[in-house]
Amino acid sequence: AQSVTQPDIHITVSEGASLELRCNYSYGATPYLFWYVQSPGQGLQLLLKYFSGDTLVQGIKGFEAEFKRSQSSFNLRKPSVHWSDAAEYFCAVGSNQAGTALIFGKGTTLSVSS
Amino acid sequence: EPEVTQTPSHQVTQMGQEVILRCVPISNHLYFYWYRQILGQKVEFLVSFYNNEISEKSEIFDDQFSVERPDGSNFTLKIRSTKLEDSAMYFCASCGDFTDTQYFGPGTRLTVL
Repeated sequence: AQSVTQPDIHITVSEGASLELRCNYSYGATPYLFWYVQSPGQGLQLLLKYFSGDTLVQGIKGFEAEFKRSQSSFNLRKPSVHWSDAAEYFCAVGSNQAGTALIFGKGTTLSVSS
Repeated sequence: EPEVTQTPSHQVTQMGQEVILRCVPISNHLYFYWYRQILGQKVEFLVSFYNNEISEKSEIFDDQFSVERPDGSNFTLKIRSTKLEDSAMYFCASCGDFTDTQYFGPGTRLTVL
């Protein structure tokens, strides 16, 4: 079955600390992987995506993610978290065909403490 | 930067009523989608639309749901007879022919009473 697992429902980090959000996927075809962020009352904003090539991808707002095929993982990282990063983060997987549904994880809520 | 827009931002309706949720995708995009997110749950795919027809739909997208692109800019989701369990945030997304990235709108929160 195709699925995305985000094992951490809620994470709290101190401002300035590093962050890693975990994502594991199960997908029958070559996966295209995405991280989206949702701030309260807002839509889903694309942080970064992996299609092919370099397995370490850079995104907006200082985020990066590493694709590890052997572990079926696509973890999101940020070296120094800012209070404005508090939001809900969704990992998603799709195929390389436009028009294909994205499969989302349940999301991880990030809280940032001062 | 172009973006996907959705109206209304919040819709309250009585059970059994019809609702139409509206979306304006990014202007040069060709693929359109609806997703929903029930409170506290994951974002779920409903339907994708290309070249004026449904290209893929989930088991959630039953006969109560329909989609339409009535003109060159709007993309609508109609729920014919709403049920309590249709209460959710509904997201529209669009994708260009070659970008393979879906861009999402801000969502419409539907509350069925």
